[in-house]
Amino acid sequence: LAKTTQPISMDSYEGQEVNITCSHNNIATNDYITWYQQFPSQGPRFIIQGYKTKVTNEVASLFIPADRKSSTLSLPRVSLSDTAVYYCLVFTYDGGGFKTIFGAGTRLFVKA
Amino acid sequence: DGGITQSPKYLFRKEGQNVTLSCEQNLNHDAMYWYRQDPGQGLRLIYYSQIVNDFQKGDIAEGYSVSREKKESFPLTVTSAQKNPTAFYLCASSIRGSPTGELFFGEGSRLTVL
Repeated sequence: LAKTTQPISMDSYEGQEVNITCSHNNIATNDYITWYQQFPSQGPRFIIQGYKTKVTNEVASLFIPADRKSSTLSLPRVSLSDTAVYYCLVFTYDGGGFKTIFGAGTRLFVKA
Repeated sequence: DGGITQSPKYLFRKEGQNVTLSCEQNLNHDAMYWYRQDPGQGLRLIYYSQIVNDFQKGDIAEGYSVSREKKESFPLTVTSAQKNPTAFYLCASSIRGSPTGELFFGEGSRLTVL
């Protein structure tokens, strides 16, 4: 399974764009990159998933370079409510089930 | 509304006691998972089940047991053999067979051993 490496924490201000980069050097051909958001004492919530290039939804964008060894989650114009832990996962399906590794995540703190 | 329901939300137990955490889903998902989260840490996989009457150990299965008698239910028992059971436990489900399966999580159960 591919392990991921993310910054432990980041600070930002309301209205700014936040980019969180994740490295996954051992990503396999069939793996997808997924990001989750978690608030204290709640279950993680799916944000976005991608395989290569760029994916955008109403919440975030995900940029994946051609070699797929890293990915960047982009949160446009963050607000105080975006303060949370963000997890980058490499999602592997091996026919027997899903395998994922949740790292410690990146704690984003948005200031007023 | 479809979703995953975990109960109880908070649970206290004495050392040496077994405790069972409930997880029910009405999303019609085949796959279900149990994760453990310690303070400031990521999630670690305890057990997962792809279909009824079948389940597999995750990375930290020792001291835990599960059953999957119904598609909707995947209870987790924390046994007295689990040395450090105090943690936040999360149940999740997903569609089986998709390589891009999204995990849907419950709200968690916080277990404290006194």
